[in-house]
Amino acid sequence: QVQLQESGPGLVKPSETLSLACTVSGGSIASYQWSWIRQTSGKGLEWIGYLYYSGSTNYNPSLRSRVTISVDTSKNQISLKLRSVTAADTAIYYCARDYTGWYAFDIWGQGTTVTVSS
Amino acid sequence: QSALTQPASVSGSPGQSLTISCTGTSSDIGGYNYVSWYQQHPGKHPKLIIYEVNYRPSGISDRFSGSKSGNTASLTISGLQAEDEADYYCSSHRSTSYRNTVTLAPVIFGGGTKLTVL
Repeated sequence: QVQLQESGPGLVKPSETLSLACTVSGGSIASYQWSWIRQTSGKGLEWIGYLYYSGSTNYNPSLRSRVTISVDTSKNQISLKLRSVTAADTAIYYCARDYTGWYAFDIWGQGTTVTVSS
Repeated sequence: QSALTQPASVSGSPGQSLTISCTGTSSDIGGYNYVSWYQQHPGKHPKLIIYEVNYRPSGISDRFSGSKSGNTASLTISGLQAEDEADYYCSSHRSTSYRNTVTLAPVIFGGGTKLTVL
């Protein structure tokens, strides 16, 4: 069965770039939208953006100026870059598969905690 | 609108039925049949239990059911079990334009409801 695994630094300094990878195993990236979602205790769940396997993307307008989601099909990997981070970007970051194409996320990674601090 | 409105907490005894509400607007829940519900146990990722208002993914117990009336969606859990104790989140696709000036994220989540089994 398809499994997702996030990876990346757990600590990022303010103003730097947060970089995470999501490796898809047990299946192909093809034919699905893959989203990044983050969770904080204060703001709950927040959708960051998605990438369709063809490479097209859509981002949360509130983050659009700072976010890039890309794909490496040779590695079956989806990457997230969030620039100019602040403490407000401290969260658990999840990658997730969109089951229907209408934002029903049926497969999630285990999540990775990222703290923004100097 | 920053989040769909859910009660902060609900509780019930084993064997009882219980309903969690999720209130939005005509631009999200009221306008689309793309409401999802997630169950999240402590330290775990959210798990999709309902999508498109009332469909269950494979492997999800039929004790979970969803419905919608107007701008409010509901999750009903029948035959409450100890293992149902968790946080529950709703989400909905929504219109991405607001008053022709603001662009919004295409999916919005509820603030979460903590279910306690007495």
